[in-house]
Amino acid sequence: QKEVEQNSGPLSVPEGAIASLNCTYSDRGSQSFFWYRQYSGKSPELIMFIYSNGDKEDGRFTAQLNKASQYVSLLIRDSQPSDSATYLCAAPDPGGYNKLIFGAGTRLAVHP
Amino acid sequence: DADVTQTPRNRITKTGKRIMLECSQTKGHDRMYWYRQDPGLGLRLIYYSFDVKDINKGEISDGYSVSRQAQAKFSLSLESAIPNQTALYFCATSDGALNQPQHFGDGTRLSIL
Repeated sequence: QKEVEQNSGPLSVPEGAIASLNCTYSDRGSQSFFWYRQYSGKSPELIMFIYSNGDKEDGRFTAQLNKASQYVSLLIRDSQPSDSATYLCAAPDPGGYNKLIFGAGTRLAVHP
Repeated sequence: DADVTQTPRNRITKTGKRIMLECSQTKGHDRMYWYRQDPGLGLRLIYYSFDVKDINKGEISDGYSVSRQAQAKFSLSLESAIPNQTALYFCATSDGALNQPQHFGDGTRLSIL
């Protein structure tokens, strides 16, 4: 069983719409979650992190964490074609040492 | 200048050759990691290090070795490269405090013929 799971997509949304990306995790003890954006052939770039239940907003991005249901989501408002990328969800490795377990990523395509 | 620098950015080489990928960082982080990424397989951890005296194997360490020459430098070696090691390789760093994110270098695209 994968410890961090994401739908691989592609998730296709029109420009200006809200894109909703979801991630589930298996370790109930996880305290922190990270969202990375990765353009094709480029390195993962940290865009959001969340430690507490509820919502965290940063510009057009909102991260949502529900520890009871073990899911974390990323909402992108007013989606732009430049948001087209793969989004990776990451959670701490239960084995410690600040290792992260990455989901395989969801590919987002924003079309004009 | 990038906080996490990987060299080379691209490398094409032949089967059986020894290859070294280098990573240096100016973030002052103790923890450094090497990953490989293959299409459809996501990021897989090769080795990680928490200081110059601490080296640990990740999930796919066979065929690889590492050296932590200093807090700021962490090198990955392929002693005898094989074609299925063709991949995108990333170095990452993190702060030693709990629940910290990792920060990635720009990556090395390695092709083994």
